[in-house]
Amino acid sequence: NAGVTQTPKFQVLKTGQSMTLQCAQDMNHEYMSWYRQDPGMGLRLIHYSVGAGITDQGEVPNGYNVSRSTTEDFPLRLLSAAPSQTSVYFCASNLRDREQETQYFGPGTRLLVL
Amino acid sequence: DQQVKQNSPSLSVQEGRISILNCDYTNSMFDYFLWYKKYPAEGPTFLISISSIKDKNEDGRFTVFLNKSAKHLSLHIVPSQPGDSAVYFCAANFDNYGQNFVFGPGTRLSVLP
Repeated sequence: NAGVTQTPKFQVLKTGQSMTLQCAQDMNHEYMSWYRQDPGMGLRLIHYSVGAGITDQGEVPNGYNVSRSTTEDFPLRLLSAAPSQTSVYFCASNLRDREQETQYFGPGTRLLVL
Repeated sequence: DQQVKQNSPSLSVQEGRISILNCDYTNSMFDYFLWYKKYPAEGPTFLISISSIKDKNEDGRFTVFLNKSAKHLSLHIVPSQPGDSAVYFCAANFDNYGQNFVFGPGTRLSVLP
């Protein structure tokens, strides 16, 4: 299993540009999510999905869109990049049972918006 | 308002000793609690979790304790190894349709040889 993969690893954008961060998992997990991590802060949830065709907003959804057409893929779209979106972005997938929950993260995408 | 708090920004422990990382939360409705470690320039690595129906869960060197009345959980690492040096995050989640993970700000653990 590759686990959770993310592309690209690094990206530089100009203000106003759009782009898509890719995320894929091969563990057949229903739950997937996107986070951003900024210096001195914990991870903040942007959007999440509980299955193909179902997405919802997290804590900081503004400026981002997601879709979940398949179980495996969960891309994050920046509609019009702003310097405030400079951050490290992590995708994750979850497996849950009655006694515990396991979450696997991708390696991250480091984004700089000029 | 921080729902998940890690009040110690850093912790230093001697190799071979026990590391105890603490986490407090404010929302009694959380159903799952998770611990991660993170190295620089890498994604978080899941370590261990516990549901609110349990008060202890063990996995190798890692044990998580949950005290629901105190709204407190802790991660014990025994014995601590230099490779354990990383930032440790706790997180909490709800057992409902949605997925509203809340992460603490992290504690940097340094295990000294």
